[in-house]
Amino acid sequence: DVKVTQSSRYLVKRTGEKVFLECVQDMDHENMFWYRQDPGLGLRLIYFSYDVKMKEKGDIPEGYSVSREKKERFSLILESASTNQTSMYLCASRNDRVGTEAFFGQGTRLTVV
Amino acid sequence: DAKTTQPPSMDCAEGRAANLPCNHSTISGNEYVYWYRQIHSQGPQYIIHGLKNNETNEMASLIITEDRKSSTLILPHATLRDTAVYYCIVRDPFGGGATNKLIFGTGTLLAVQP
Repeated sequence: DVKVTQSSRYLVKRTGEKVFLECVQDMDHENMFWYRQDPGLGLRLIYFSYDVKMKEKGDIPEGYSVSREKKERFSLILESASTNQTSMYLCASRNDRVGTEAFFGQGTRLTVV
Repeated sequence: DAKTTQPPSMDCAEGRAANLPCNHSTISGNEYVYWYRQIHSQGPQYIIHGLKNNETNEMASLIITEDRKSSTLILPHATLRDTAVYYCIVRDPFGGGATNKLIFGTGTLLAVQP
């Protein structure tokens, strides 16, 4: 079975903390994505990566950075967490072949207090 | 920004067909239509995709209009477990690198009623 694993299901952090959300996929996929999901706003793309060390901004990159040093791992970094970053964060991966689509992790519910 | 528009919510009776519409009037020639769904507290799951012909798999059918400006996802016999948010997405699967963005909209919340 294909797998996208996010390091934490629930996380509580304090305002101003540096937060790392980790995502690992075991499918040798080229593309990896980070989204956040908030009520009424759907899934919004924060960043994605199409290869090791390659990254592209999504629709809402402000306040976030990412790291992809290895193909299987894509990290989302909140440099200084704020309460408006309280959200559900979803990681996904997808390969480059036509006709195959994205697989998602179970999500990390981050609360910033 | 998402290139699709969907109604925010729909109801369907259990056992009946659920028909979920999607408008994608600016779709380009290379772009496919993809559908995902997200059951509460889970990550989205791929359902089906198509270019211009109608497609069917074990989960659903996809009907794309001849001008490709809209499509309909059909769940032939909806069950309570089909209650979820359904997302319609368009993208060019042949684009590489930075064009591989996957942009979701707000989707349609389908509520299957007993």
